[in-house]
Amino acid sequence: KAGVTQTPRYLIKTRGQQVTLSCSPISGHRSVSWYQQTPGQGLQFLFEYFSETQRNKGNFPGRFSGRQFSNSRSEMNVSTLELGDSALYLCASSPGTPKETQYFGPGTRLLVL
Amino acid sequence: GQSLEQPSEVTAVEGAIVQINCTYQTSGFYGLSWYQQHDGGAPTFLSYNALDGLEETGRFSSFLSRSDSYGYLLLQELQMKDSASYFCAVPTGFQKLVFGTGTRLLVSP
Repeated sequence: KAGVTQTPRYLIKTRGQQVTLSCSPISGHRSVSWYQQTPGQGLQFLFEYFSETQRNKGNFPGRFSGRQFSNSRSEMNVSTLELGDSALYLCASSPGTPKETQYFGPGTRLLVL
Repeated sequence: GQSLEQPSEVTAVEGAIVQINCTYQTSGFYGLSWYQQHDGGAPTFLSYNALDGLEETGRFSSFLSRSDSYGYLLLQELQMKDSASYFCAVPTGFQKLVFGTGTRLLVSP
């Protein structure tokens, strides 16, 4: 099976802009989770979608949003970018039942100038 | 809230054995996972302990003690390719993983 794919892999934006990142899960997986990884804060959970519904949300401001499509592909959006949003954004997929292993994509590295 | 503490860095030589510890404070504990992440790469799943005791997968083993809120990852016969960051993590329902602070393992010849 093909792994989790994320596009784009690298992105440079300026403060105030918005950005949309995409994630395609492993075929058959219905759950997609998003994480932010920074040197200072480590790996932090953003949100999780299952069958187009957000089931869980981390402690991030409303500028961070996401959605999932009927084919399980997911997008996350960050509006009004801040310098502190520079990070590696990872998505992970799993079949969707609790406690299952999550499979991570290669991530999108976002740099905000 | 949840918190998982790990040593920031561990160094070892090829062929040696190294143990990476993880102490946690969580509510609704289901089990402890371990992930490996090479620089610039994605976290990859290594192991999951739902019950107390040792789980062995090749050169890697993971241990959990729920009564002590403690676990560790044991890497044997270290190889240069094992140089990476290692994270413990706990699932907290609906695919949310709370990750530890991460341990950078440096393996030298």
